[in-house]
Amino acid sequence: GNSVTQMEGPVTLSEEAFLTINCTYTATGYPSLFWYVQYPGEGLQLLLKATKADDKGSNKGFEATYRKETTSFHLEKGSVQVSDSAVYFCALSDGGNTGKLIFGQGTTLQVKP
Amino acid sequence: SQTIHQWPATLVQPVGSPLSLECTVEGTSNPNLYWYRQAAGRGLQLLFYSVGIGQISSEVPQNLSASRPQDRQFILSSKKLLLSDSGFYLCAWSNTEAFFGQGTRLTVV
Repeated sequence: GNSVTQMEGPVTLSEEAFLTINCTYTATGYPSLFWYVQYPGEGLQLLLKATKADDKGSNKGFEATYRKETTSFHLEKGSVQVSDSAVYFCALSDGGNTGKLIFGQGTTLQVKP
Repeated sequence: SQTIHQWPATLVQPVGSPLSLECTVEGTSNPNLYWYRQAAGRGLQLLFYSVGIGQISSEVPQNLSASRPQDRQFILSSKKLLLSDSGFYLCAWSNTEAFFGQGTRLTVV
């Protein structure tokens, strides 16, 4: 079945460091891919998405490229801020009319000043 | 614009007591609706989804049930809570992407 695997956290970085959070997926067909962010005590917010191979999603300085050949959707940011501290979830939509999302286990990012 | 409301934000319930969590969506019609659970330190698990009024699909066997009495209302229930039901419950709706409520922190004691 479809699945998503994220790198384990927590990831601890200093402010202005470069961020990469790895995400790989297993899916039949051509799923849409997403990154969601969860700030402490809150629900999830969509950070970015990509709907087909080679698409690059970007938002708030974050970006991720849909790589079909490596079945990956790694999240990157060139210079993190303390306010980026949160849990990041990679997800795929298995298509059809249900719109169900399959999530990775989440990666906690802590950015220190 | 579309908004999603989920309540209560936090809930502490004794083992064996009933549960009712409510979620409503505004600004859209006939949305797909979902209940997810996030256990401590773990990812999100899809519990139920609904593609229309009265249509409920369960993803995992469990102590919970869901209902959709109106187009934009989705309710998560239990007749008797277990300790293992503790977690963070998230309601969501989607068209091309999913939008989440603020979540309910349930602690069963």
